[in-house]
Amino acid sequence: GAGVSQTPSNKVTEKGKYVELRCDPISGHTALYWYRQSLGQGPEFLIYFQGTGAADDSGLPNDRFFAVRPEGSVSTLKIQRTERGDSAVYLCASSLRGADGYTFGSGTRLTVV
Amino acid sequence: AQSVTQLGSHVSVSEGALVLLRCNYSSSVPPYLFWYVQYPNQGLQLLLKYTSAATLVKGINGFEAEFKKSETSFHLTKPSAHMSDAAEYFCAVSERGGGADGLTFGKGTHLIIQP
Repeated sequence: GAGVSQTPSNKVTEKGKYVELRCDPISGHTALYWYRQSLGQGPEFLIYFQGTGAADDSGLPNDRFFAVRPEGSVSTLKIQRTERGDSAVYLCASSLRGADGYTFGSGTRLTVV
Repeated sequence: AQSVTQLGSHVSVSEGALVLLRCNYSSSVPPYLFWYVQYPNQGLQLLLKYTSAATLVKGINGFEAEFKKSETSFHLTKPSAHMSDAAEYFCAVSERGGGADGLTFGKGTHLIIQP
């Protein structure tokens, strides 16, 4: 596609529920990144994919968070047993070459009530 | 570990005045440095990047930034502010070009333009 697409744009869920956030990167971009942006903060790195494999998942806060990219294109960020502290905007970015800078999606605003 | 400090969570300038947004970084290796802009309810857009070539980097919308190794700074400037520049600005650093280790962002500076 022309840009990085993230769905849904907004998600409200109850505490303890499971959620999935989807990222559709720019066609041909092999690198894909997930970030989390809490209110008033800069984005925090969560996980980086090169192709289908997670090359660096050191930013995932705990084992409730998991991400997949089975065919090297679309990625899904999965959050189990959501907590109110998980409320944030989740940003996805893709890149052809990391140092050239990413293209970010508009994000998914997750609200846990 | 790398880190970024943006001085001033809010900066207010008059339309037509100089814009100066400050960024200091720490990195154990020569860094890659980036400035991003974020408009309300939108993703981040790359303004400019430093990747060890020229120390004065020109970006989009009339912005530029100068890498000063001795001061570990990468301040963003624009000679004349426009109302459309009102947004959130983020400085970011990567030690490996943003590939294998992602970007580390500062907390952001909200730029307010007074008419």
